[in-house]
Amino acid sequence: EIVMTQSPATLSVSPGERAILSCRASQSVSSNLAWYQQKPGQAPRLLIYGASTRAAGTPARFSGSGSGTEFTLTISSLQSEDFAVYYCQQYKNWPPMYTFGQGTKLEIK
Amino acid sequence: EVQLLESGGGLVQPGGSLRLSCAASGISFSSYWMSWVRQVPGKGLQWVANMNQNGGEKYYVDSVKGRFTISRDNAKESLYLQMNSLRVEDTALYYCVREAHSSFDYWGQGTLVTVSS
Repeated sequence: EIVMTQSPATLSVSPGERAILSCRASQSVSSNLAWYQQKPGQAPRLLIYGASTRAAGTPARFSGSGSGTEFTLTISSLQSEDFAVYYCQQYKNWPPMYTFGQGTKLEIK
Repeated sequence: EVQLLESGGGLVQPGGSLRLSCAASGISFSSYWMSWVRQVPGKGLQWVANMNQNGGEKYYVDSVKGRFTISRDNAKESLYLQMNSLRVEDTALYYCVREAHSSFDYWGQGTLVTVSS
C-alpha cells in the first residue's frame, strides 16, 4: 500500500502571505496526485488533479507541483476563505487503489 | 444542477447490516466510475470501494473486502453500498463521489453510519 505523508500537520499563516503544503508518497505515483480542501461541516472539494491541473472553479492563487514522490500545493496569497484542512490523494493503477494523506490544517496566524 | 444525495445511514449494532444509497443527478452518472469514500468525524479520508460504468469491475479497500458490496443502477442514476458484518471501526461519514482524472470531482454531503452496541 502506498502511504501518503503530509507536512506540516498544522500551518499557521497570516492572510495575504504564501502557504506551502507538502505531500510525500512512499513510492512513485507519477503525476496521479490530487489536492482537496475541506471546511468544517462540508464535503471535501477538489482543487488540483494530475499534480498541477486546477479543477474547475479553483482560483489561480492555488498551484500544484511535483511528480514521483514529492508534491507541493502553494497558495500564493491567502484569503480568509482558504483557511481549512487540505488533503492530498494518490491513485494507483493496479490494483486500483486511492489513498489520502492525513491532512494539513491551515490556520490563521 | 449537480447533486449526489446519500441516504441509508444510521445506528447499527456490531455484526449488523446497512445498505447505503446515493441518488445522482446532473453528473452524467452512467459515463463515470463511482466510489464510496468514508471519513471518521474529525479524522481523515479513506477510499472504500469503486466500480466502473457498467458494473463489471469492482474494487475494495482490504479492510472491507468480503463484507461490503458496491453496486449501481444506471437507469436510476443510483449507487449503492451493502455493508454486512459491520464493525465499530466502520463508524464514519460515507460519501458518494464521482471519479474523474484519477481523482474525485463531485461529492455528496455524506450519510453517517454508527456501529455501536
